[in-house]
Amino acid sequence: GESVGLHLPTLSVQEGDNSIINCAYSNSASDYFIWYKQESGKGPQFIIDIRSNMDKRQGQRVTVLLNKTVKHLSLQIAATQPGDSAVYFCAEMNFGNEKLTFGTGTRLTIIP
Amino acid sequence: SAVISQKPSRDICQRGTSLTIQCQVDSQVTMMFWYRQQPGQSLTLIATANQGSEATYESGFVIDKFPISRPNLTFSTLTVSNMSPEDSSIYLCSAGDRRSGNTIYFGEGSWLTVV
Repeated sequence: GESVGLHLPTLSVQEGDNSIINCAYSNSASDYFIWYKQESGKGPQFIIDIRSNMDKRQGQRVTVLLNKTVKHLSLQIAATQPGDSAVYFCAEMNFGNEKLTFGTGTRLTIIP
Repeated sequence: SAVISQKPSRDICQRGTSLTIQCQVDSQVTMMFWYRQQPGQSLTLIATANQGSEATYESGFVIDKFPISRPNLTFSTLTVSNMSPEDSSIYLCSAGDRRSGNTIYFGEGSWLTVV
């Protein structure tokens, strides 16, 4: 049978390099987007968010880009570190119902 | 940001039994939700926990199987009833406050294994 845990897209990046994680969202009416980081055995941790009236937002070592035309969201992590290894999820919300819908996730591995 | 505590963090349960998971938030929040995350997969919303009224369930989840309480703005419980091995999963509580920007924070999850 199928093994769980192998359906996630994966990305391997050399330590110190920049990484870009992509996400295609489904609802053109979504107002708000969040990126989460989930380390093994832990709950999702908020990284950065962006509202639909923006196309870019920067945090510490992270940048989120939003392209509403093609319903695409990306997370850029600069100068990656071993502690960045985790599964990253994008999530979208419509302020009308306030429910957060998650994407499938990407497993990022930082190679020392 | 809200700090969310869940109990139990992990449990092994017998088939046919029920288990109640508790979620405590360190501040009053307008929104609380329960998610399920099966091993190696993404998060699926079970229901919105409504303060003082019945929870709002997503398609595929029903109150008899997943009764939820939310007696106040800082606390909620999720019960997984009549458990089967298919209920083995991580159950996550999340919370946010629309008065401070709608950001949703998560607890560390309750890891249930049904044997």
